[in-house]
Amino acid sequence: GENVEQHPSTLSVQEGDSAVIKCTYSDSASNYFPWYKQELGKGPQLIIDIRSNVGEKKDQRIAVTLNKTAKHFSLHITETQPEDSAVYFCAASPTGNTPLVFGKGTRLSVIA
Amino acid sequence: KAGVTQTPRYLIKTRGQQVTLSCSPISGHRSVSWYQQTPGQGLQFLFEYFSETQRNKGNFPGRFSGRQFSNSRSEMNVSTLELGDSALYLCASSLDPGQVYEQYFGPGTRLTVT
Repeated sequence: GENVEQHPSTLSVQEGDSAVIKCTYSDSASNYFPWYKQELGKGPQLIIDIRSNVGEKKDQRIAVTLNKTAKHFSLHITETQPEDSAVYFCAASPTGNTPLVFGKGTRLSVIA
Repeated sequence: KAGVTQTPRYLIKTRGQQVTLSCSPISGHRSVSWYQQTPGQGLQFLFEYFSETQRNKGNFPGRFSGRQFSNSRSEMNVSTLELGDSALYLCASSLDPGQVYEQYFGPGTRLTVT
């Protein structure tokens, strides 16, 4: 089955710097790649997603890139702010009909 | 539009007891998935329901079960609780399976087994 690896497990950046989180997946049939942000005491919040027919997607300060050949995708956060501090999860869906497989998460700390 | 709601938010149970958790999906969403989140294993898929039928099931023992009602609300049940069942149980809803779909999570139910 699908396996998703996420790196790094923790990341500290200065406010205003960029943060990059990377994920690799194993199943070449995967075609949907969402990113979730989870704050303390809350459920994961969908922040951006990308489908296999697109190489990059942006939404204000966040962007996701996908390399299907290498089977990896990345989350980029620019101009980080303290409120970006949270745990971020990547996920992959082997097909549209099967559940999400999640990475282990990255704890991002933005230092003011 | 209201988000996914889960009740109760916190629960403390004793080993051997059983527990029922409830999830109300976003209005109009007909698919409900359940995940278990623990520090060691991360987010793991339990099962998915659509039109009152279980569509997919994760690799969990039969003590974990669920159901979905005609209004798309879902419940999950864990019988004969074990210490290792302590976790955050998350419910996610989506419009419809069958296509690539977006899932939206509720705040979760924190279950502690003593």
